[in-house]
This record gives sequence, structure tokens and C-alpha cells, in this order.
Amino acid sequence: ETGVTQSPTHLIKTRGQQVTLRCSSQSGHNTVSWYQQALGQGPQFIFQYYREEENGRGNFPPRFSGLQFPNYSSELNVNALELDDSALYLCASSWGQGTYEQYFGPGTRLTVT
Amino acid sequence: TQLLEQSPQFLSIQEGENLTVYCNSSSVFSSLQWYRQEPGEGPVLLVTVVTGGEVKKLKRLTFQFGDARKDSSLHITAAQPGDTGLYLCAGGGSNYQLIWGAGTKLIIKP
Repeated sequence: ETGVTQSPTHLIKTRGQQVTLRCSSQSGHNTVSWYQQALGQGPQFIFQYYREEENGRGNFPPRFSGLQFPNYSSELNVNALELDDSALYLCASSWGQGTYEQYFGPGTRLTVT
Repeated sequence: TQLLEQSPQFLSIQEGENLTVYCNSSSVFSSLQWYRQEPGEGPVLLVTVVTGGEVKKLKRLTFQFGDARKDSSLHITAAQPGDTGLYLCAGGGSNYQLIWGAGTKLIIKP
């Protein structure tokens, strides 16, 4: 059984640029959730994708967008990067809608300068 | 707004001691999960509790869900250095999101 993988591991961008982060879900899972975790804090929910549709969204602006592909992998896109976007971005996969038992990848550390 | 408060925020104890970490809310949650996170890694699911009053054991870790499903605790018996990490609780909220506590940073000294 393959776990959740994310790429890249680390990324440095300049304010105003755009970034795409990628996530491959665990085999057998059809739902992907994205989270932002600032240093020393718990994760904050960005959005969830279920069967290629956005299934729920947290309190993040529209410049945070995503996609889910037929193989259930997913992308997180962030436009017009701001310094406060610097964080660990976590992807979690699960079976079905909702929040039951999510399995996380190692995260992508994004630094915006 | 659903919130989860964890206490203590930071705990440093000697190997062999017992400890309890708390996760409290004024809201009812349909389920509550505990995760452990190591630096630079994603959270790892430890347990999910669903029923009020439920108690689950994972080796030296005991998890309890409050009768009213508003709070939970994690008790570690005879803590070991390998238990060091950030312990996070998360509850199922509306809009398919997990509501997270800020975490308890636990350090077990040999």
C-alpha cells in the first residue's frame, strides 16, 4: 500500500509569484484535503476534493485554488503569493466525503521572500 | 465557530513519568481524532473516538472521549523518549473540515 506523497519537499518563491504543489493520495482513497500549517500552530483547512469536485472550503481567499484528477491525485495552486503564505502545506487523503481518518503526506515547506 | 483548545501547550517531563493532555471545546463533535506530528513531517493518526464516554488504548496511550462529546484526553503511562512530538487533536466540523487544536509539544527527557 502506497502512502500519501507530496512534491516538492521545499520551495522558495518571491512575493507576487504563483506556486503549484502536488499530492498523490494513498491507494484506495478518493478524497484529498489540503491544509496550511504555520510554525507552532495546528493545521488550517484550505479545501477538500472528492471525486474531482471541491467538497468544502475553509476561510482562504480565491487565490488558493485546487484540482483533483481522475486518479485522485491533486494540486494546490496559490497565486499572488504573500509573505504570510510561508508555511507547511499538508495534503491528506481519505475514503469518502468528510473528515473520518485522514492520512497525511510529509508536507511541502513553502517560503515566500 | 467551533474551536478546540489543547492544554498544556508545552510539557517537558522525565522518562518514566505519566502525563495527561487535554482537548476541550464548547461544541459537540461527531468524532475526535488524535495525531502525533514530528518536526518537518505530516501528522500521523493515532486514534479516532466516536462515542461519548469511549475509551481506547494504544499500548501505553489511553484516549478518552467525554460523555458529551465536547472534550477528550490523552494519557501516557511511563513516558519514553520516543513519545516526544507534537500531539494534535482534531474534530469533525461543518463543511467537511477538521477543526484542529494548536497542539501540545511534548518532550520526554532520558
